[in-house]
Amino acid sequence: GQQLNQSPQSMFIQEGEDVSMNCTSSSIFNTWLWYKQDPGEGPVLLIALYKAGELTSNGRLTAQFGITRKDSFLNISASIPSDVGIYFCAGPPPWGNTGKLIFGQGTTLQVKP
Amino acid sequence: ETGVTQSPTHLIKTRGQQVTLRCSSQSGHNTVSWYQQALGQGPQFIFQYYREEENGRGNFPPRFSGLQFPNYSSELNVNALELDDSALYLCASSTGTGGAYNEQFFGPGTRLTVL
Repeated sequence: GQQLNQSPQSMFIQEGEDVSMNCTSSSIFNTWLWYKQDPGEGPVLLIALYKAGELTSNGRLTAQFGITRKDSFLNISASIPSDVGIYFCAGPPPWGNTGKLIFGQGTTLQVKP
Repeated sequence: ETGVTQSPTHLIKTRGQQVTLRCSSQSGHNTVSWYQQALGQGPQFIFQYYREEENGRGNFPPRFSGLQFPNYSSELNVNALELDDSALYLCASSTGTGGAYNEQFFGPGTRLTVL
């Protein structure tokens, strides 16, 4: 089935550093989503991307929809301790009518104060 | 506005037993999706309900079944539990037809442990 591959798998950074993570697929997506999951919680949507080449920001977060429609990137600037968590890329497959989301395996971010 | 709620928070069962998990959708939402999240993995789509009908299913066996009620709340039932069913079960609600993408809002999940 269709899979999303995220890298890196985990990151351990110093507070104040910038962070970059990416997500790739063997198939195209028409919508890319970035979620964050805190321990004991469900995923929360951070940014949604709907158009190839689109660059969207949400505070210190910036995400881009790759031109090939097979990848997406998430950047976090000036990280703070509350950025700790698991970041997932996700998207609805471009075919079918199920409304399901496919998720990557996640990038775990740890921030050292 | 009340968000998505799930019950119970945690549950421990033994192999072969049956379990029912419950989800109350966010106010105004008519579509509910269920996901299974194994430890260290991303959520995997189980199925979606729209207007009390199943509207798509992932690669899960028939012993995973669901219901949606007129108030749009939902249940996930799992029969003949297996050890590999141990996971966090997430419910997400959304608006719309259930076909096209509409933002899904996730609940906190139910942690199921099968011994």
